[in-house]
Amino acid sequence: KAGVTQTPRYLIKTRGQQVTLSCSPISGHRSVSWYQQTPGQGLQFLFEYFSETQRNKGNFPGRFSGRQFSNSRSEMNVSTLELGDSALYLCASSESGTSLYEQYFGPGTRLTVT
Amino acid sequence: AQKVTQAQTEISVVEKEDVTLDCVYETRDTTYYLFWYKQPPSGELVFLIRRNSFDEQNEISGRYSWNFQKSTSSFNFTITASQVVDSAVYFCALSEAENRDDKIIFGKGTRLHILP
Repeated sequence: KAGVTQTPRYLIKTRGQQVTLSCSPISGHRSVSWYQQTPGQGLQFLFEYFSETQRNKGNFPGRFSGRQFSNSRSEMNVSTLELGDSALYLCASSESGTSLYEQYFGPGTRLTVT
Repeated sequence: AQKVTQAQTEISVVEKEDVTLDCVYETRDTTYYLFWYKQPPSGELVFLIRRNSFDEQNEISGRYSWNFQKSTSSFNFTITASQVVDSAVYFCALSEAENRDDKIIFGKGTRLHILP
């Protein structure tokens, strides 16, 4: 099976702009979770989608949003970008709808906000 | 509230030495899951192990072994006869089964350098 893919791999944006990141889970996986990784805060959970529904959300402002499509592909959107949004954004998929099971991670999208 | 502490920020050992990565967790739930993930320089986290709170048996997988002790709330990871390819950042994580938020919390990670 193909692994989790994320596009784009690298992105440079300017403060105030918005950005959309894409994640394609492993075939057959219905759960997709998003994480933000920064040197200071480490790995932080953003949200999880299962069968097109957001199941959980981490402690991030409303500028961070996402959605999942019927084919389980997911997108994450960040509006009004701030310098602090510069991070590696990781997507993970799993067979089950919870984070209680092993997750398979993609290579991430490195976002730089200038 | 759940919390995962990896006190060792960075460790360097010479190849073939054994190394133990510490993980201490906090939770009020009786049912929870613990994980270890490896993040090599490529950035992609790789699942290593999942252990539920009712299974305190130690586990060995090749050169990797895990020691789970509920009495000290620890889930330590040992690499025996380390190799350069083991160089990576290792994350310990906790997920509470009874937590309706159903989120997973990661430790800050331990960066492991295996020197040739």
